[in-house]
Amino acid sequence: GAGVSQSPSNKVTEKGKDVELRCDPISGHTALYWYRQSLGQGLEFLIYFQGNSAPDKSGLPSDRFSAERTGGSVSTLTIQRTQQEDSAVYLCASSLAGSGGRVEQFFGPGTRLTVL
Amino acid sequence: AQKITQTQPGMFVQEKEAVTLDCTYDTSDPSYGLFWYKQPSSGEMIFLIYQGSYDQQNATEGRYSLNFQKARKSANLVISASQLGDSAMYFCAMREYGNKLVFGAGTILRVKS
Repeated sequence: GAGVSQSPSNKVTEKGKDVELRCDPISGHTALYWYRQSLGQGLEFLIYFQGNSAPDKSGLPSDRFSAERTGGSVSTLTIQRTQQEDSAVYLCASSLAGSGGRVEQFFGPGTRLTVL
Repeated sequence: AQKITQTQPGMFVQEKEAVTLDCTYDTSDPSYGLFWYKQPSSGEMIFLIYQGSYDQQNATEGRYSLNFQKARKSANLVISASQLGDSAMYFCAMREYGNKLVFGAGTILRVKS
């Protein structure tokens, strides 16, 4: 399909391990976003990439979290030394360029991360 | 302070009736946008409707309409002629500075047959 894809769909890891979550945005979308959805915290913004601009990292909860976007397309969210509170569904979204107005974000199916 | 407030954790509606899901917001940015997303039990986020802060008319998309009261900072979603497939979690979200979205806690809607 032509939608946003994420992998893996489910990830179970042990506390202290590093994990990488991948997002493939819709072709032609220059903006990419990561959100986290967890019980008790709802949906939280993590990081936003727009073209070649410096990413907006204001939502990353700690320095254990990082993300990169290669070639303006695929993005990887990395969580180092995972903690149990990192357990959540990680959602990726993409949109066309531009700020303001009806810039609809299209969401992927998410990666469910469980830290044991 | 909460940026987006959805005061109804859960709502029930009879099939074929209309339902209003509440959303209030807080921002000092004069240019902002309000979105509603639907999240069925399968987990995907589905865009429903958008209202810009400068839009003069309330947004409508099929059975969805937005009751936008700017002075009250409210953007309630109205679903007309509810269907069983409307049962889902509904999120109100606001875009202010930049393009990132701030979401409310959501409202679970259950449509009864």
